Amino acid sequence: DQQVKQNSPSLSVQEGRISILNCDYTNSMFDYFLWYKKYPAEGPTFLISISSIKDKNEDGRFTVFLNKSAKHLSLHIVPSQPGDSAVYFCAASDKIKAAGNKLTFGGGTRVLVKP
Amino acid sequence: DTGVSQDPRHKITKRGQNVTFRCDPISEHNRLYWYRQTLGQGPEFLTYFQNEAQLEKSRLLSNRFSAERPKGSFSTLEIQRTEQGDSAMYLCASSLAGGRGYEQYFGPGTRLTVT
Repeated sequence: DQQVKQNSPSLSVQEGRISILNCDYTNSMFDYFLWYKKYPAEGPTFLISISSIKDKNEDGRFTVFLNKSAKHLSLHIVPSQPGDSAVYFCAASDKIKAAGNKLTFGGGTRVLVKP
Repeated sequence: DTGVSQDPRHKITKRGQNVTFRCDPISEHNRLYWYRQTLGQGPEFLTYFQNEAQLEKSRLLSNRFSAERPKGSFSTLEIQRTEQGDSAMYLCASSLAGGRGYEQYFGPGTRLTVT
């Protein structure tokens, strides 16, 4: 049972345009959501997070939107740059304290930014 | 400022052999996590430590897997009697308990190939 899903395995976008990555979840106990970027042969790098009590968080070129009623979040990257080409993972942390904020990840979306 | 480090970066072993991986977290982080990532999938939680205590283990962690964090600093993950299905990237992450503890910082991973 996949609790976090990224339904688009890949995305191609022109440099300077907006990249929109989507993520759906099923577990209403998730309280924080995170996006990670991963280059080949490296570990995931933390990008941005959002608490379940907010609907938007912005950090530079990256904005995450959360729609709790739809159990959906999205990451907007604008403007997209060639260095943004990577695999992006959506992740969620649940409220159960004993779980120590373990993360549940989606399957990833590969982004290619064309010059 | 050193991030999370893992050793070795790559390990090739024959089926049935034992392997051990090491993770050194960010020095002030008291939580340490192990994840496993297979091709085309997101990372999957294996286990986590708060200081030296192992507080949760996933069902994915069979009895051939054991993890330790003896002094609350570095951690080791051992796989006994490896099987081909153990081939994966093993990722270590660390975080601070409380506050923004859901933000986990990952190491580069150890890629295990079982032949």
